[in-house]
Amino acid sequence: RKEVEQDPGPFNVPEGATVAFNCTYSNSASQSFFWYRQDCRKEPKLLMSVYSSGNEDGRFTAQLNRASQYISLLIRDSKLSDSATYLCVVLGGSGTYKYIFGTGTRLKVLA
Amino acid sequence: GAGVSQSPRYKVAKRGQDVALRCDPISGHVSLFWYQQALGQGPEFLTYFQNEAQLDKSGLPSDRFFAERPEGSVSTLKIQRTQQEDSAVYLCASTLGGLNTEAFFGQGTRLTVV
Repeated sequence: RKEVEQDPGPFNVPEGATVAFNCTYSNSASQSFFWYRQDCRKEPKLLMSVYSSGNEDGRFTAQLNRASQYISLLIRDSKLSDSATYLCVVLGGSGTYKYIFGTGTRLKVLA
Repeated sequence: GAGVSQSPRYKVAKRGQDVALRCDPISGHVSLFWYQQALGQGPEFLTYFQNEAQLDKSGLPSDRFFAERPEGSVSTLKIQRTQQEDSAVYLCASTLGGLNTEAFFGQGTRLTVV
């Protein structure tokens, strides 16, 4: 079983739709959580950190459920420019500081 | 520099050839990571440095892979006797260190072994 699991998709949604991605992680000692965005043939870039209390950045909302060990990302009012791969990232746990990535979820927003 | 810089951007190697991939992290960043990304997959952890110390090399797939960061800044990932399965994008990332810090990635080196 991979340490961080995501549904690879693809998720094809119309412009303006709301879409949600989930991610589960196996190490209960993990300490920090992030969503990264990766465009085709580009490097991953931070979209947002995920805090226990949940956090929002414009159309994007991230939630963390430590008890169930999952992280979610909600995108409201999808734009064509949101088309990308969204990577769930978990850091730390048991004295390690390595960032563990999920496989990524592909999103395609259709006109 | 403004960001993490990797070179070369593209490398074609004949099977059995040795290659060296370079990473220049953001100035002042303590931690440096190497990842391998195959097509359609997420980045897979290879190794991690804090300054010049290699704290974790558990992701290196074989003893043909070797990484160093002798002065705590620039890092080199070396692959000896390349095999076709080594073909991938190799990504380098740097951070200030600690928790809740953003990892900044370079554009990667696309290695093709023929």
